[in-house]
Amino acid sequence: EADIYQTPRYLVIGTGKKITLECSQTMGHDKMYWYQQDPGMELHLIHYSYGVNSTEKGDLSSESTVSRIRTEHFPLTLESARPSHTSQYLCASSNSYYGYTFGSGTRLTVV
Amino acid sequence: KNEVEQSPQNLTAQEGEFITINCSYSVGISALHWLQQHPGGGIVSLFMLSSGKKKHGRLIATINIQEKHSSLHITASHPRDSAVYICAADNYGQNFVFGPGTRLSVLP
Repeated sequence: EADIYQTPRYLVIGTGKKITLECSQTMGHDKMYWYQQDPGMELHLIHYSYGVNSTEKGDLSSESTVSRIRTEHFPLTLESARPSHTSQYLCASSNSYYGYTFGSGTRLTVV
Repeated sequence: KNEVEQSPQNLTAQEGEFITINCSYSVGISALHWLQQHPGGGIVSLFMLSSGKKKHGRLIATINIQEKHSSLHITASHPRDSAVYICAADNYGQNFVFGPGTRLSVLP
């Protein structure tokens, strides 16, 4: 049973549209992360949060933004989608004692 | 040089074989994670290690902190073990540093 939920699972959207990828966890984890992964490639950290009202950019330059208004919710927003944003986006949360839990991912295609 | 390296990159095995995947890291860590990613893209956390050895079913993970090396072993491999196995260094709870992954195919 998943304790971290991502929606939508798949999304095809036109260039220029604004989209929000949702991520929610029920474990009370303080730390949450967004990773981007192209097919067959490594995961790259794009945003992370250590708690409510805390957000930081990761290693990969991204034209996305995140917010953390509630502990359980960490949405990722693309203001203007481009074909170069086509990728898989994985959300994760962590507790230092129990490790990481990943969501199922959102596979985004921008046409 | 990548901070986390894995070998082999690709591995094909026959069902029933004993499999070892290696991970070496050069960063300071608070823990080392082994993750499994199936073709559909979902990632499952297999182990979190800070010392010694852990076992879960047919999977065994070991870590040598002094040598900065970890191994993931799969005993009696099965086609359903086919996946990408990723080693990730936990940078004191800040974030992961991921290895490139090892693509495992187990043939029936």
